[in-house]
Amino acid sequence: EAQVTQNPRYLITVTGKKLTVTCSQNMNHEYMSWYRQDPGLGLRQIYYSMNVEVTDKGDVPEGYKVSRKEKRNFPLILESPSPNQTSLYFCASSLSRWGRTNNYGYTFGSGTRLTVV
Amino acid sequence: DAKTTQPNSMESNEEEPVHLPCNHSTISGTDYIHWYRQLPSQGPEYVIHGLTSNVNNRMASLAIAEDRKSSTLILHRATLRDAAVYYCILRDPLRSGSRLTFGEGTQLTVNP
Repeated sequence: EAQVTQNPRYLITVTGKKLTVTCSQNMNHEYMSWYRQDPGLGLRQIYYSMNVEVTDKGDVPEGYKVSRKEKRNFPLILESPSPNQTSLYFCASSLSRWGRTNNYGYTFGSGTRLTVV
Repeated sequence: DAKTTQPNSMESNEEEPVHLPCNHSTISGTDYIHWYRQLPSQGPEYVIHGLTSNVNNRMASLAIAEDRKSSTLILHRATLRDAAVYYCILRDPLRSGSRLTFGEGTQLTVNP
């Protein structure tokens, strides 16, 4: 089944303890992205990647890092989590082509609910 | 990015058609109209997209006004599983890249 898989689904951690949320897709998609969803603020893009080793900041990148060493995986790293990063996180992927219209639908993961205390 | 306006909430009865409106009066000629929905406790799910012509797929239909300043997502026979937040998003893939900018969406309630 074509899907985007995030792990873990739920995570409670303490301030300052480094964590990684994994994201993997099995559709050979080139484009991957991370969003966070907060009440009243909707979904906001954190980082995105157009292909392997190509990443760029979204709207709210502060406090986050990403890497794209292989096509299928796009982990989100919080080096020193803080309570304001408590949120619901979604990974998404899409087919993309360099230099051509990128107008494909996105597939989202089921989400990771992170609580930082 | 051009802005979209949707009602905060709508209600429908099961087995009846649902018409979800979206206004986008500042749409540009190269903006595509995308619809996503988010079921409770799940990630957003792609529904449909179009540019000028009406579009149909297995999930829904998209009716686009002739002047493209508004569009309507049509669920032909609502089921309880269609209860979700529906997002109307404008996207110019050449200008905004691959970003999807979500608004607040319309919360659809389906009554049995």
